Amino acid sequence: ELKVEQNPLFLSMQEGKNYTIYCNYSTTSDRLYWYRQDPGKSLESLFVLLSNGAVKQEGRLMASLDTKARLSTLHITAAVHDLSATYFCAVDADDKIIFGKGTRLHILP
Amino acid sequence: EAGVVQSPRYKIIEKKQPVAFWCNPISGHNTLYWYLQNLGQGPELLIRYENEEAVDDSQLPKDRFSAERLKGVDSTLKIQPAELGDSAVYLCASSSRGGPGNTIYFGEGSWLTVV
Repeated sequence: ELKVEQNPLFLSMQEGKNYTIYCNYSTTSDRLYWYRQDPGKSLESLFVLLSNGAVKQEGRLMASLDTKARLSTLHITAAVHDLSATYFCAVDADDKIIFGKGTRLHILP
Repeated sequence: EAGVVQSPRYKIIEKKQPVAFWCNPISGHNTLYWYLQNLGQGPELLIRYENEEAVDDSQLPKDRFSAERLKGVDSTLKIQPAELGDSAVYLCASSSRGGPGNTIYFGEGSWLTVV
């Protein structure tokens, strides 16, 4: 059974700081998604990572995928308050897409 | 381009009553998903369609939940009878297999409260 674990589940950080959210998964996969969810809203696609070593960046967010380690990271650079949200990773294995529990990120002004 | 459209957005029903949710995916998307999201949790897959065929319904509680996707476009998810524990957000999503990165797009969700 595919398991997806995010770490940490809660993160409170100061504006201007850097931090990384980790997503570990338990089975072979070469497709991983990162989503953002604001309270009461739906999921917004951030990144789709399709191969080992894939790295994608959008603004202050950068995502990477290591399929050998079964690990993806979402790195936040110089955080700003607008990035406060819950971030989910989701792994596609055999067409079954499983989400992690999410990382609730709170950025303090 | 319109996104994934769901209705109703909010629904409050008494337990043991039936409820139905409707989803219109992005035009041209042949893959449609229904997810359930409990408060503070990640979405959990209920059912996945490829066109009109349900290719993965292993997580759908078939004693009370049913879904259909007639003609391979719109889909409905039904609960009958609803239980208190069914209170959650029901998310519909769609994707185009073989599309750029196979991004999965989510609708706004249908918020169900069972009282």
